[in-house]
Amino acid sequence: DIQMTQSPSSLSASVGDRVTITCRASQNIGSYLNWYQQKPGKGPKLLIYAASSLQSGVPSRFSGSGSGTDFTLTISSLQPEDFATYYCQQSYSTLMYTFGQGTKLEIK
Amino acid sequence: QLQLQESGPGLVKPSETLSLTCSVSGASLTSTSYYWGWIRQSPEKGLEWIGNIYSSGITYYNPSLKSRVTISVDTSKNQFSLRLSSVTAADTAVYYCARQDHSSRIFDHWGQGTLVTVPS
Repeated sequence: DIQMTQSPSSLSASVGDRVTITCRASQNIGSYLNWYQQKPGKGPKLLIYAASSLQSGVPSRFSGSGSGTDFTLTISSLQPEDFATYYCQQSYSTLMYTFGQGTKLEIK
Repeated sequence: QLQLQESGPGLVKPSETLSLTCSVSGASLTSTSYYWGWIRQSPEKGLEWIGNIYSSGITYYNPSLKSRVTISVDTSKNQFSLRLSSVTAADTAVYYCARQDHSSRIFDHWGQGTLVTVPS
């Protein structure tokens, strides 16, 4: 299986801050990397797909970059509604889709 | 507007079979553009892909669960279902159904999830 490792596991930040979350794959996955946001009691919401493509309806303050094994999700200016848990997910291996362990973004 | 809604028992006894249904509105399960899948989430394992089904009926399963999982589709009701046999406490989780784009393989729409508890 392809292992996905996110860092940090949790993060405290303030409204207006720039935040970066990283995700590392255990092998080369090209650009088959997606980012999701999850709020309590809800299913994950797709933010970024193919490493850097913004899903329709997602604010432009969210951006993704990277390829191969190292990827980042950046929120340029945190808004109150952005405090949530973020997950990366690889879609390179169609035999087994795997997710990172999550990064919980909390208000400082 | 696409909506997915999970339903089924919230409590399943050990060794029995977990059965869940996902009702889909706003899209047809016969579309060749999508897979329809199940993912679960627990504090111990995080988000874990269970498997998915294509409009043709072809299924793909997580190898670690394959011996116990069956995903099926009922196009007349626009629903697809999950059966997980011989459950243990380790199968306690929130179960989500989701739509997966066939070409990009992204999970672009998710249900709100349903908690299934297997007592130890």
